[in-house]
Amino acid sequence: TQLLEQSPQFLSIQEGENLTVYCNSSSVFSSLQWYRQEPGEGPVLLVTVVTGGEVKKLKRLTFQFGDARKDSSLHITAAQPGDTGLYLCAGKYNFNKFYFGSGTKLNVKP
Amino acid sequence: DADVTQTPRNRITKTGKRIMLECSQTKGHDRMYWYRQDPGLGLRLIYYSFDVKDINKGEISDGYSVSRQAQAKFSLSLESAIPNQTALYFCATSQTGGSTDTQYFGPGTRLTVL
Repeated sequence: TQLLEQSPQFLSIQEGENLTVYCNSSSVFSSLQWYRQEPGEGPVLLVTVVTGGEVKKLKRLTFQFGDARKDSSLHITAAQPGDTGLYLCAGKYNFNKFYFGSGTKLNVKP
Repeated sequence: DADVTQTPRNRITKTGKRIMLECSQTKGHDRMYWYRQDPGLGLRLIYYSFDVKDINKGEISDGYSVSRQAQAKFSLSLESAIPNQTALYFCATSQTGGSTDTQYFGPGTRLTVL
């Protein structure tokens, strides 16, 4: 079993639609990160959230850390084809190492 | 030039062969990591090193070994490769280890074990 569960696993939407990706755990994390990975490349960090209830915005992307620091969500407004990729959440446990979720593969069709 | 490089980028090998994947970084980071990525399983930590004299097992270290030759170099070895080690392998580095620590990933090595 994975420490972090992501849902949905796959998402295919039309350009302009909104979407939300979820990252859930039964464990408390000291911080949580979201990465995006494109084919043939390594993951690239989008954001880090640290405080329970924290909300961060990155253009059309909104990230939220749950109050209990066990879950997080990524919301994309008006998705564009350039948002296509694999989205990964990663939780830092005991200030030590990172645990990654299984990923959400997003396809935004023009 | 890329900050984190991995060689080779692709490798096909046979069951039972010993192979080594190499990682080099120019970021000056102390912390280095090896992950494998499988479809539907995300990234899983194999080994990590917080400095040249430090080596730690991750979630799935069986069948793998590592060597931290210098601050900038961290290599992963498969002593006797088996088909279920077919995967995408990533090296990563990070600086501080604090809550906002950022990992920087290499481009990956696609390994196929026949």
